[in-house]
Amino acid sequence: NAGVTQTPKFQVLKTGQSMTLQCAQDMNHNSMYWYRQDPGMGLRLIYYSASEGTTDKGEVPNGYNVSRLNKREFSLRLESAAPSQTSVYFCASSDRGTGGLSREQFFGPGTRLTVL
Amino acid sequence: GDSVTQMEGPVTLSEEAFLTINCTYTATGYPSLFWYVQYPGEGLQLLLKATKADDKGSNKGFEATYRKETTSFHLEKGSVQVSDSAVYFCALSDLRKDDKIIFGKGTRLHILP
Repeated sequence: NAGVTQTPKFQVLKTGQSMTLQCAQDMNHNSMYWYRQDPGMGLRLIYYSASEGTTDKGEVPNGYNVSRLNKREFSLRLESAAPSQTSVYFCASSDRGTGGLSREQFFGPGTRLTVL
Repeated sequence: GDSVTQMEGPVTLSEEAFLTINCTYTATGYPSLFWYVQYPGEGLQLLLKATKADDKGSNKGFEATYRKETTSFHLEKGSVQVSDSAVYFCALSDLRKDDKIIFGKGTRLHILP
């Protein structure tokens, strides 16, 4: 049981290049999320997917696109990378508990992206 | 909208000292409250949670009580260790609204041997 996995762990891009960050979970969770973490800013939600086939914008979606390929996988794409997108990116997944109570989110180890 | 405010860091303590990290929240509903911990170079992991008023979450010697009257969820530990050095995030979630978690900005904790 690997939990949430992310690839790659590190990436350096030049301005204008594109790339896709991959995320997969093996916990059969319905919801998946992409966050970015910047110093002093905490975690900011980029996009999330409440179920297979649906995606919604979070707090900072500009410059990103996502694909919920199936229940397990949720990818984040940068079409034309900018230095402002230098950050650590985390994928997470969760599922609803019983009685409408929130369940925890499980996080991947992160992708450290530098855009030059 | 809903929000979480936690004390700014870094917080530096000596080993075996008492720890308090303050967290207050604003919410229109009845959220669940969480503390997450992030060790260097890793993703976040759940430390403890509380789902209703007066609940106490506890794990690894850490405790936090859901105080609705003061809208607070302060994290405490009686005797910290060097291995507790990490970044701690307070968070809330209300599934009656959506599937999102709202995080505070994090508090970095340094424990000196």
